[in-house]
Amino acid sequence: EAGVAQSPRYKIIEKRQSVAFWCNPISGHATLYWYQQILGQGPKLLIQFQNNGVVDDSQLPKDRFSAERLKGVDSTLKIQPAKLEDSAVYLCASSSGTGWYYGYTFGSGTRLTVV
Amino acid sequence: DAKTTQPNSMESNEEEPVHLPCNHSTISGTDYIHWYRQLPSQGPEYVIHGLTSNVNNRMASLAIAEDRKSSTLILHRATLRDAAVYYCILSGPQGGSEKLVFGKGTKLTVNP
Repeated sequence: EAGVAQSPRYKIIEKRQSVAFWCNPISGHATLYWYQQILGQGPKLLIQFQNNGVVDDSQLPKDRFSAERLKGVDSTLKIQPAKLEDSAVYLCASSSGTGWYYGYTFGSGTRLTVV
Repeated sequence: DAKTTQPNSMESNEEEPVHLPCNHSTISGTDYIHWYRQLPSQGPEYVIHGLTSNVNNRMASLAIAEDRKSSTLILHRATLRDAAVYYCILSGPQGGSEKLVFGKGTKLTVNP
């Protein structure tokens, strides 16, 4: 089966600019996650979707980050305006059901550098 | 707020077995023990998971202590391609454990 697709692979922007990342999960996977991974750390969950509804966005910095999953398939994560500390890899993952049982499949991520 | 403790790094030689330890003394009865690994410049990859009994798959084996307070991921014959960061994660259906919470993991270096 095709994996989780993410684009772009790399992005360099100046601080205060905006940026968007795109994720296409595995076909049929109802649950979608966005993680942020800062260099040298493990991934940190930002938001979880179940179909097109938000299940958990408690760790999403809502003053600058937003995410949507229209039609319960693709998802976009946006940062506006970006700060230097947003430099990280943004990972998308999907699961066919409850991730703790079925496991997560991750994409390769988008590496964001804010200068 | 990861609930597991892993060594920061380990080294192994190619074609030798590798035992990666994980302590999880506060594990709840419904928590599954998950292992993921992350190769350089890639997203995490599922390795194996289990609840109480030891588990085997094509990638690895998972040995779970009888009291479930620790576990060991076993790579039977390490290859250079196994060099990665290995994450031990507790996740289950209750108590806010439904999501994967990553710690810093163990960086495995495989020497040729």
